[in-house]
Amino acid sequence: GIQVEQSPPDLILQEGANSTLRCNFSDSVNNLQWFHQNPWGQLINLFYIPSGTKQNGRLSATTVATERYSLLYISSSQTTDSGVYFCAVEIPNFGNEKLTFGTGTRLTIIP
Amino acid sequence: DVKVTQSSRYLVKRTGEKVFLECVQDMDHENMFWYRQDPGLGLRLIYFSYDVKMKEKGDIPEGYSVSREKKERFSLILESASTNQTSMYLCASSLLTGYYEQYFGPGTRLTVT
Repeated sequence: GIQVEQSPPDLILQEGANSTLRCNFSDSVNNLQWFHQNPWGQLINLFYIPSGTKQNGRLSATTVATERYSLLYISSSQTTDSGVYFCAVEIPNFGNEKLTFGTGTRLTIIP
Repeated sequence: DVKVTQSSRYLVKRTGEKVFLECVQDMDHENMFWYRQDPGLGLRLIYFSYDVKMKEKGDIPEGYSVSREKKERFSLILESASTNQTSMYLCASSLLTGYYEQYFGPGTRLTVT
């Protein structure tokens, strides 16, 4: 099956810093999503981005589908950005598609 | 906004009990999914459903069954709970298969003692 690798596994930053999270995947995908899991366990949708670049406030994401990676940028980090960030991808499978998740990046923002 | 709700945030059950986890979505989505999340193992797909009364096995279906009698509701059933089913259970839905976002509920932390 498809492999999804995220780096770094852990990241500790001071409030106000910028960060880049990476997601590498091993096959062509028709869906790529970034999620933030908050301390209560809820997965929050950040971006649906199988290709191209999107921005939402302090967050932006870029997926280079031909090179099989995606980047999530967080600027001017706040303590509420802490949590685990997951990348998840879906490969074409004749209507039987399902998401495969990476193992996540745990981000800790220190005040 | 899409809303996916789960019947309980926390649940404690005894070994051998039959356990029902309920999930409801309010956006008329065709697809619904059940995952479990464990430290070091990430999120793993248990079952999914593309239509009412239809179900497909995911990566780890053993020990679980599902029911989808209505489009908006997808239930996960543990026929005889065991301690190795202690986990975080997450439900999700999406409009259709392929090229559509999945939206997640808040999760149910199940402890089997």
